[in-house]
This record gives sequence, C-alpha cells and structure tokens, in this order.
Amino acid sequence: NAGVMQNPRHLVRRRGQEARLRCSPMKGHSHVYWYRQLPEEGLKFMVYLQKENIIDESGMPKERFSAEFPKEGPSILRIQQVVRGDSAAYFCASSARQGLGEQYFGPGTRLTVT
Amino acid sequence: AQSVAQPEDQVNVAEGNPLTVKCTYSVSGNPYLFWYVQYPNRGLQFLLKYITGDNLVKGSYGFEAEFNKSQTSFHLKKPSALVSDSALYFCAVRDGVSGNTPLVFGKGTRLSVIA
Repeated sequence: NAGVMQNPRHLVRRRGQEARLRCSPMKGHSHVYWYRQLPEEGLKFMVYLQKENIIDESGMPKERFSAEFPKEGPSILRIQQVVRGDSAAYFCASSARQGLGEQYFGPGTRLTVT
Repeated sequence: AQSVAQPEDQVNVAEGNPLTVKCTYSVSGNPYLFWYVQYPNRGLQFLLKYITGDNLVKGSYGFEAEFNKSQTSFHLKKPSALVSDSALYFCAVRDGVSGNTPLVFGKGTRLSVIA
C-alpha cells in the first residue's frame, strides 16, 4: 500500500508565477489535509478537504491560495502570483474515512520563490 | 482553541541514556494526542498516539509517552537513546469531540543524541 505521495518534491518559481502542488492520499483515505512548514517552525494547518468538498479552510490565506480535491485525481494546492514569503515546505496528510486515527504525511513539496 | 507547547527547542542526551521530550497541551474536549518525528528533508513519521485507555502508550522504535490529565502533559520518552534518534520531534493534539479535525502542532523539539 503506497503511502501519501506528493509531487513535485522541489519546485522553484519566480515571483508572480503560479505554483501547483499535488497530493495523492493513501489508498482508501478520503480526508486530505494541507500544512505549511516554515524553516525551524512547526506545521501550520491550512486546509482540510474531503472528496469534492472543502471542510475547513480556516488556515489558508484568503488571497492567492486555493485547494481542491476532485472526485478523480489528486488534491491540488494552488498558489497564484507567488511571493518570496510563500517559500516553505508544504505537506499533505491523509486519514481514513472512519476512525480516530493518525494522519499519514507525504514527503512534502519544498517551494522556493526567487 | 487547541494549543500545544513544547518548551524545549533543543534536547541533548548521551547515547544510552534515557531521553524525555516534553509536551503540554490545551483542548476544550477530550484530547487526542500524537507524536511525530521528522528527519532532515523528510515528511513526518507517526510515532504513537493517545486516544483513550492506558496512560502509558508504547509506539515505534522503542518510544513511549505518558498521558497525564492533571498536568495536561504528554511527554515522549525512551529508556535508552540511540544516535539514530537524532531528529525533530513534534507533539500534536486535536479535539476528540469533533471528527477528523486538523491537528495542531507544537513548534518541535530538536533531539540530539551524542555518541
């Protein structure tokens, strides 16, 4: 059973470009979470999605950031018009439909904005 | 609102000695508590969790954690540290009243085990 997959692992964008980060949850998991980690800091929650629905986006900036988890395909975190402050590691996690279980994390995408 | 505090940015311990990484939490309902470990340039790996039951929880790689409700703590422990345990450790909590709610993480504690 493959774990949570994220791609790309590293992404370099110039200021003003768009960044698209992809996350494929573990098989059988329908809950996806996105977190951002700044250097030497913990993970900050951004958004929680189930298939085709955004459940909680309280941690996501109101502008330039969006997320989706379509019926088919991976979850996408999209950052428009990136700025240097968006440089961070972005982690995706998934959890099972039911249960009180832990979230399983992907390897992350390291975004660098130049 | 939920919160997690990891009071130590860095913990140094000699190989073979016991280690403790501290965590305290605040949550309105029943706490679901987790420990994760992060190695350089890697994602987080699950170590152990407390949902209910015995206050002493055993996890991966010989780690264990003790849930203390009165002190609102969930300290991570290992009887004998290994150099390979050197990594960044995160404590996390979520409110058990709700369903699959997001985790709230502490800022992390860097563990350095010296040979």
